[in-house]
Amino acid sequence: DAGVIQSPRHEVTEMGQEVTLRCKPISGHNSLFWYRQTMMRGLELLIYFNNNVPIDDSGMPEDRFSAKMPNASFSTLKIQPSEPRDSAVYFCASGWINTGELFFGEGSRLTVL
Amino acid sequence: GENVEQHPSTLSVQEGDSAVIKCTYSDSASNYFPWYKQELGKGPQLIIDIRSNVGEKKDQRIAVTLNKTAKHFSLHITETQPEDSAVYFCAASKRNQFYFGTGTSLTVIP
Repeated sequence: DAGVIQSPRHEVTEMGQEVTLRCKPISGHNSLFWYRQTMMRGLELLIYFNNNVPIDDSGMPEDRFSAKMPNASFSTLKIQPSEPRDSAVYFCASGWINTGELFFGEGSRLTVL
Repeated sequence: GENVEQHPSTLSVQEGDSAVIKCTYSDSASNYFPWYKQELGKGPQLIIDIRSNVGEKKDQRIAVTLNKTAKHFSLHITETQPEDSAVYFCAASKRNQFYFGTGTSLTVIP
């Protein structure tokens, strides 16, 4: 298996622009997580889905952030409008609900100027 | 909610020595404890895990111990090698919710 695939790997944009991050989970996994990693705050859970349904989005910073999972093989995290404080590495991770194992992608490094 | 504390934040060891990283958790309902290794520019990689019905698990040079009563678990790396240098994260999980420690930056000096 190719593992969790994220795109883009790097994104540089200007404040106010829309950013869309994409994730393809490992085939067969039924849970998907979006995390944000910064030096100051470490790994923060933004939202997670079970069987494509959002379960907990309490970590989403504000209304500028939204996430969708239209099917079992694809998810997006959108930031609109983006701000410099959104600069971070965003990770997608997938796993099986019952076993609890979690596998991370390589991340999308976002820089908002 | 769960609170996971991880120590030390940085650790330097000579090649061939052992390294130990410790974590504590607060919620007795947590029942799954994975450890992740993150190399520079990469995502966290699951290296070993332990469930609450087991006290110790070993995989070659890596071992994890769990003390449910004291609510702490540890990662042990023996015969360290330069390629073990990375940031290590512990986590406590219950019902598919994961709570991560703040990470330990391990440097193995050749």
